[in-house]
Amino acid sequence: NAGVTQTPKFQVLKTGQSMTLQCAQDMNHEYMSWYRQDPGMGLRLIHYSVGAGITDQGEVPNGYNVSRSTTEDFPLRLLSAAPSQTSVYFCASSYRQGGDTQYFGPGTRLTVL
Amino acid sequence: GENVEQHPSTLSVQEGDSAVIKCTYSDSASNYFPWYKQELGKRPQLIIDIRSNVGEKKDQRIAVTLNKTAKHFSLHITETQPEDSAVYFCAASFWTGGFKTIFGAGTRLFVKA
Repeated sequence: NAGVTQTPKFQVLKTGQSMTLQCAQDMNHEYMSWYRQDPGMGLRLIHYSVGAGITDQGEVPNGYNVSRSTTEDFPLRLLSAAPSQTSVYFCASSYRQGGDTQYFGPGTRLTVL
Repeated sequence: GENVEQHPSTLSVQEGDSAVIKCTYSDSASNYFPWYKQELGKRPQLIIDIRSNVGEKKDQRIAVTLNKTAKHFSLHITETQPEDSAVYFCAASFWTGGFKTIFGAGTRLFVKA
Protein backbone atom coordinates (compact mmCIF):
# COMPACT_ATOMS: atom_id res chain seq x y z
CA ASN A 1 0.00 0.00 0.00
CA ALA A 2 1.88 3.06 -1.29
CA GLY A 3 -0.61 5.66 0.01
CA VAL A 4 -0.52 8.93 -1.95
CA THR A 5 2.22 9.27 -4.54
CA GLN A 6 3.25 12.31 -6.57
CA THR A 7 5.55 12.76 -9.54
CA PRO A 8 7.82 14.47 -10.24
CA LYS A 9 9.52 15.45 -6.95
CA PHE A 10 11.17 18.50 -8.53
CA GLN A 11 10.50 20.41 -11.74
CA VAL A 12 11.85 23.56 -13.36
CA LEU A 13 9.80 25.22 -16.10
CA LYS A 14 10.17 28.30 -18.23
CA THR A 15 7.41 30.88 -18.33
CA GLY A 16 4.69 29.82 -20.74
CA GLN A 17 5.44 26.09 -20.65
CA SER A 18 2.75 23.63 -19.67
CA MET A 19 3.03 20.49 -17.61
CA THR A 20 1.06 17.97 -15.58
CA LEU A 21 1.72 17.05 -11.97
CA GLN A 22 0.70 13.49 -11.30
CA CYS A 23 -1.07 12.24 -8.18
CA ALA A 24 -2.26 8.74 -7.42
CA GLN A 25 -3.65 6.94 -4.38
CA ASP A 26 -4.25 3.25 -3.77
CA MET A 27 -6.52 3.53 -0.72
CA ASN A 28 -9.81 3.69 -2.67
CA HIS A 29 -10.38 7.19 -1.35
CA GLU A 30 -13.29 9.10 -2.75
CA TYR A 31 -12.02 12.62 -2.04
CA MET A 32 -8.84 14.09 -3.54
CA SER A 33 -7.47 17.62 -3.53
CA TRP A 34 -4.55 19.75 -4.62
CA TYR A 35 -2.89 22.39 -2.45
CA ARG A 36 -0.06 24.79 -2.99
CA GLN A 37 2.21 25.81 -0.14
CA ASP A 38 3.98 29.14 -0.13
CA PRO A 39 6.06 30.57 2.75
CA GLY A 40 3.86 32.23 5.37
CA MET A 41 0.63 31.35 3.57
CA GLY A 42 -0.11 27.84 4.69
CA LEU A 43 -1.78 25.38 2.35
CA ARG A 44 -4.18 26.87 -0.18
CA LEU A 45 -6.74 24.69 -1.92
CA ILE A 46 -6.49 24.75 -5.73
CA HIS A 47 -9.05 22.15 -6.87
CA TYR A 48 -10.74 19.16 -5.35
CA SER A 49 -12.75 16.14 -6.41
CA VAL A 50 -15.43 14.21 -4.55
CA GLY A 51 -15.31 11.25 -6.91
CA ALA A 52 -14.53 10.11 -10.44
CA GLY A 53 -15.92 12.58 -12.96
CA ILE A 54 -16.57 15.34 -10.39
CA THR A 55 -14.24 18.27 -9.75
CA ASP A 56 -14.65 21.74 -8.26
CA GLN A 57 -12.62 24.85 -7.63
CA GLY A 58 -10.88 25.73 -4.41
CA GLU A 59 -9.44 29.03 -3.20
CA VAL A 60 -6.86 29.62 -5.95
CA PRO A 61 -7.92 27.76 -9.13
CA ASN A 62 -6.76 30.23 -11.81
CA GLY A 63 -4.09 28.87 -14.12
CA TYR A 64 -4.74 25.23 -13.18
CA ASN A 65 -6.96 22.48 -14.58
CA VAL A 66 -7.86 19.10 -13.13
CA SER A 67 -9.73 15.99 -14.18
CA ARG A 68 -10.70 12.80 -12.37
CA SER A 69 -11.29 9.96 -14.80
CA THR A 70 -10.55 7.24 -12.24
CA THR A 71 -10.81 6.95 -8.46
CA GLU A 72 -7.04 6.52 -8.20
CA ASP A 73 -5.66 9.42 -10.25
CA PHE A 74 -6.04 13.17 -9.96
CA PRO A 75 -3.58 15.06 -12.22
CA LEU A 76 -3.05 18.82 -11.99
CA ARG A 77 -2.30 20.67 -15.23
CA LEU A 78 -0.54 24.01 -15.47
CA LEU A 79 -1.72 25.53 -18.72
CA SER A 80 0.89 28.29 -19.19
CA ALA A 81 3.34 28.45 -16.29
CA ALA A 82 4.04 31.78 -14.62
CA PRO A 83 6.67 32.70 -11.98
CA SER A 84 3.79 33.22 -9.50
CA GLN A 85 3.17 29.47 -9.70
CA THR A 86 6.54 28.69 -8.15
CA SER A 87 5.54 26.72 -5.07
CA VAL A 88 5.41 23.32 -3.42
CA TYR A 89 2.35 21.37 -4.54
CA PHE A 90 0.72 18.73 -2.36
CA CYS A 91 -1.91 16.26 -3.37
CA ALA A 92 -4.12 14.80 -0.62
CA SER A 93 -6.84 12.21 -0.34
CA SER A 94 -9.40 11.11 2.22
CA TYR A 95 -11.89 8.28 2.43
CA ARG A 96 -14.79 10.69 2.18
CA GLN A 97 -15.21 14.39 1.94
CA GLY A 98 -15.57 16.49 5.05
CA GLY A 99 -14.76 15.28 8.51
CA ASP A 100 -12.08 12.83 7.54
CA THR A 101 -8.29 12.62 7.78
CA GLN A 102 -6.49 13.85 4.69
CA TYR A 103 -3.39 11.90 3.68
CA PHE A 104 -0.82 13.97 1.85
CA GLY A 105 1.60 13.00 -0.87
CA PRO A 106 5.31 13.87 -0.59
CA GLY A 107 4.96 17.05 -2.64
CA THR A 108 6.32 18.46 -5.89
CA ARG A 109 8.64 21.46 -5.75
CA LEU A 110 8.02 23.55 -8.87
CA THR A 111 10.14 26.48 -10.00
CA VAL A 112 9.03 28.66 -12.90
CA LEU A 113 11.75 30.87 -14.37
CA GLY B 1 -15.24 34.06 1.75
CA GLU B 2 -14.29 31.33 4.17
CA ASN B 3 -11.25 32.07 6.26
CA VAL B 4 -9.14 30.50 9.01
CA GLU B 5 -6.83 32.73 11.02
CA GLN B 6 -4.02 31.23 13.08
CA HIS B 7 -1.86 32.78 15.81
CA PRO B 8 0.95 33.11 16.61
CA SER B 9 2.99 32.68 13.44
CA THR B 10 6.05 31.76 15.50
CA LEU B 11 6.27 30.32 18.99
CA SER B 12 9.39 29.55 20.98
CA VAL B 13 9.22 27.59 24.28
CA GLN B 14 11.60 25.85 26.64
CA GLU B 15 11.56 22.08 26.72
CA GLY B 16 8.98 20.93 29.24
CA ASP B 17 6.81 24.05 28.92
CA SER B 18 3.37 24.11 27.32
CA ALA B 19 2.56 25.54 23.89
CA VAL B 20 -0.80 26.92 22.78
CA ILE B 21 -1.80 27.75 19.21
CA LYS B 22 -5.12 29.45 18.46
CA CYS B 23 -7.33 29.55 15.37
CA THR B 24 -10.55 31.29 14.44
CA TYR B 25 -12.85 30.44 11.54
CA SER B 26 -15.45 32.42 9.65
CA ASP B 27 -18.15 29.89 8.65
CA SER B 28 -20.40 28.94 11.56
CA ALA B 29 -21.48 25.81 9.62
CA SER B 30 -17.97 24.31 9.81
CA ASN B 31 -18.10 20.92 11.48
CA TYR B 32 -14.61 19.43 11.38
CA PHE B 33 -11.37 20.91 12.69
CA PRO B 34 -8.12 18.99 12.13
CA TRP B 35 -4.57 19.88 13.16
CA TYR B 36 -1.59 18.91 11.03
CA LYS B 37 2.12 18.83 11.86
CA GLN B 38 4.71 19.40 9.17
CA GLU B 39 8.39 18.74 9.82
CA LEU B 40 10.97 20.43 7.63
CA GLY B 41 10.90 19.07 4.10
CA LYS B 42 8.14 16.57 4.90
CA ARG B 43 4.46 16.30 4.15
CA PRO B 44 1.75 17.47 6.61
CA GLN B 45 0.41 14.73 8.87
CA LEU B 46 -2.70 14.73 11.04
CA ILE B 47 -1.99 14.85 14.77
CA ILE B 48 -5.47 15.38 16.21
CA ASP B 49 -8.93 16.47 15.10
CA ILE B 50 -12.21 17.50 16.66
CA ARG B 51 -15.79 17.58 15.43
CA SER B 52 -18.36 20.26 16.09
CA ASN B 53 -20.36 18.17 18.56
CA VAL B 54 -17.36 17.84 20.92
CA GLY B 55 -15.82 20.58 23.07
CA GLU B 56 -12.48 18.99 23.89
CA LYS B 57 -10.35 16.04 22.84
CA LYS B 58 -7.08 14.78 24.27
CA ASP B 59 -4.41 12.38 23.03
CA GLN B 60 -1.48 11.99 25.43
CA ARG B 61 0.37 15.36 25.47
CA ILE B 62 -1.86 16.94 22.83
CA ALA B 63 -5.32 18.40 23.34
CA VAL B 64 -7.69 20.45 21.22
CA THR B 65 -10.55 22.64 22.47
CA LEU B 66 -13.42 24.04 20.42
CA ASN B 67 -15.67 27.00 21.21
CA LYS B 68 -18.40 27.03 18.56
CA THR B 69 -20.05 30.17 19.88
CA ALA B 70 -16.84 32.16 19.54
CA LYS B 71 -15.78 30.25 16.41
CA HIS B 72 -12.35 29.44 17.70
CA PHE B 73 -10.34 26.34 18.50
CA SER B 74 -6.94 25.79 20.06
CA LEU B 75 -4.14 23.23 20.16
CA HIS B 76 -2.42 22.60 23.47
CA ILE B 77 0.87 20.71 23.72
CA THR B 78 2.09 19.93 27.23
CA GLU B 79 5.58 18.87 28.35
CA THR B 80 7.05 19.94 25.02
CA GLN B 81 10.04 18.06 23.63
CA PRO B 82 12.59 19.07 20.95
CA GLU B 83 10.91 16.66 18.51
CA ASP B 84 7.74 18.76 18.77
CA SER B 85 9.58 21.46 16.79
CA ALA B 86 7.72 21.78 13.48
CA VAL B 87 5.09 23.86 11.69
CA TYR B 88 1.53 23.27 12.90
CA PHE B 89 -1.53 24.00 10.75
CA CYS B 90 -5.12 24.25 11.87
CA ALA B 91 -7.92 23.74 9.36
CA ALA B 92 -11.70 23.86 9.10
CA SER B 93 -14.05 22.07 6.72
CA PHE B 94 -16.82 24.09 5.06
CA TRP B 95 -19.73 22.93 2.95
CA THR B 96 -20.12 24.95 -0.25
CA GLY B 97 -21.76 22.45 -2.57
CA GLY B 98 -18.87 20.16 -1.66
CA PHE B 99 -16.62 20.07 1.38
CA LYS B 100 -13.59 22.32 1.26
CA THR B 101 -10.87 22.23 3.89
CA ILE B 102 -9.30 25.63 4.46
CA PHE B 103 -5.99 25.85 6.33
CA GLY B 104 -4.56 28.50 8.60
CA ALA B 105 -1.21 30.07 7.68
CA GLY B 106 0.71 27.90 10.15
CA THR B 107 2.67 28.29 13.40
CA ARG B 108 6.36 27.53 13.51
CA LEU B 109 7.07 26.02 16.94
CA PHE B 110 10.61 25.95 18.31
CA VAL B 111 11.27 23.88 21.44
CA LYS B 112 14.59 24.79 23.01
CA ALA B 113 16.44 22.07 24.87
